[in-house]
Amino acid sequence: GESVGLHLPTLSVQEGDNSIINCAYSNSASDYFIWYKQESGKGPQFIIDIRSNMDKRQGQRVTVLLNKTVKHLSLQIAATQPGDSAVYFCAEIRFSRFYFGTGTSLTVIP
Amino acid sequence: GAGVSQSPRYKVAKRGQDVALRCDPISGHVSLFWYQQALGQGPEFLTYFQNEAQLDKSGLPSDRFFAERPEGSVSTLKIQRTQQEDSAVYLCASSLNSFPRLNTEAFFGQGTRLTVV
Repeated sequence: GESVGLHLPTLSVQEGDNSIINCAYSNSASDYFIWYKQESGKGPQFIIDIRSNMDKRQGQRVTVLLNKTVKHLSLQIAATQPGDSAVYFCAEIRFSRFYFGTGTSLTVIP
Repeated sequence: GAGVSQSPRYKVAKRGQDVALRCDPISGHVSLFWYQQALGQGPEFLTYFQNEAQLDKSGLPSDRFFAERPEGSVSTLKIQRTQQEDSAVYLCASSLNSFPRLNTEAFFGQGTRLTVV
């Protein structure tokens, strides 16, 4: 079936460490991928996106890696801060739809 | 406003009641999406508008769900004869351009939490 899923439902990291959140997808016909951050009681907030013909894209403190061979996406957060605590979703974009995974809950320990 | 605004923030409905959820997208945004998010889950697509045209409504779970965007700006999601399984957060998102296009960020509202009792 078509799905976007996450390897780890929860992740705890020490403040200042780097975080890596992983995502697997099963449909190779997607246009691109987006990482979203969702804090409690709020809507998802765009972090970074990557087109399907790219391998890597960098933003401010974040890097997204796309491995199409194994259909794997990762989000790396450098120097994780307490404000990074949230649920992170990868979303696969096909046609006019976002397909969201279940999410990974990131907790930053001060 | 500066962002996507949804109202009400919370809605409690008795089973069988009709509800209407409102979304005010960012002014000038072409694309508008509705998503349903169950507790502990990722958002699930409901429907997509490009201006006033509803281009994709295949995610609406039943004919009790109806969405409109008559003037290409404000949108309303209506749920008739609500059932307990309709309890969820309903998210609206808007985007400046038509979808899909890289760097076309979709901005989400805070959602309406619907509880059917």
